[in-house]
Amino acid sequence: AQKITQTQPGMFVQEKEAVTLDCTYDTSDPSYGLFWYKQPSSGEMIFLIYQGSYDQQNATEGRYSLNFQKARKSANLVISASQLGDSAMYFCAMESPGTASKLTFGTGTRLQVTL
Amino acid sequence: NAGVTQTPKFRVLKTGQSMTLLCAQDMNHEYMYWYRQDPGMGLRLIHYSVGEGTTAKGEVPDGYNVSRLKKQNFLLGLESAAPSQTSVYFCASSYLGQPGQPQHFGDGTRLSIL
Repeated sequence: AQKITQTQPGMFVQEKEAVTLDCTYDTSDPSYGLFWYKQPSSGEMIFLIYQGSYDQQNATEGRYSLNFQKARKSANLVISASQLGDSAMYFCAMESPGTASKLTFGTGTRLQVTL
Repeated sequence: NAGVTQTPKFRVLKTGQSMTLLCAQDMNHEYMYWYRQDPGMGLRLIHYSVGEGTTAKGEVPDGYNVSRLKKQNFLLGLESAAPSQTSVYFCASSYLGQPGQPQHFGDGTRLSIL
């Protein structure tokens, strides 16, 4: 069974600073994918970034990057130059190919960006 | 550019009542999913479908039924609503379930069972 653990219920970061949101995972599948989604207070789920287990380089999408450490089974999200609009819940999720691409979600981290 | 549309957005039911949540996607996606989101628990998969006419159970299927009669629609039914089913329900879809293809989510349905 797969499991995603997000140990930070809440985080604060000052505007323009970088922040790291932690995500560790557990799976016995050799092939898997890791996603990060953002959920603002309005409630929708917004896809941010994806990392495949066989990808050689860490994924980056604009101000978002994924610090993927396979041996440690961690896939931390790094947000650079935080903006007020980054205040939201952030969810880490794992996909196991071959299982209808179902996602297993973590419990999320609430990020608050302050002035 | 609708994407994934959920109907209704809010609903209040009494215990024992039935209702159907509708999910429609216009992206020609094969895979569709229903999740529930409860405080402190992230999203949990209720049921999913890999194509028209097929459905399968997810992590928390009890008390729910689903149907996928048309490729673009995925219905979630509550036959006899219980207070424990008070939650926010999200529908999602993805293209052929290919690795790395993100699931696209609807805006959610907030359901309260009294």
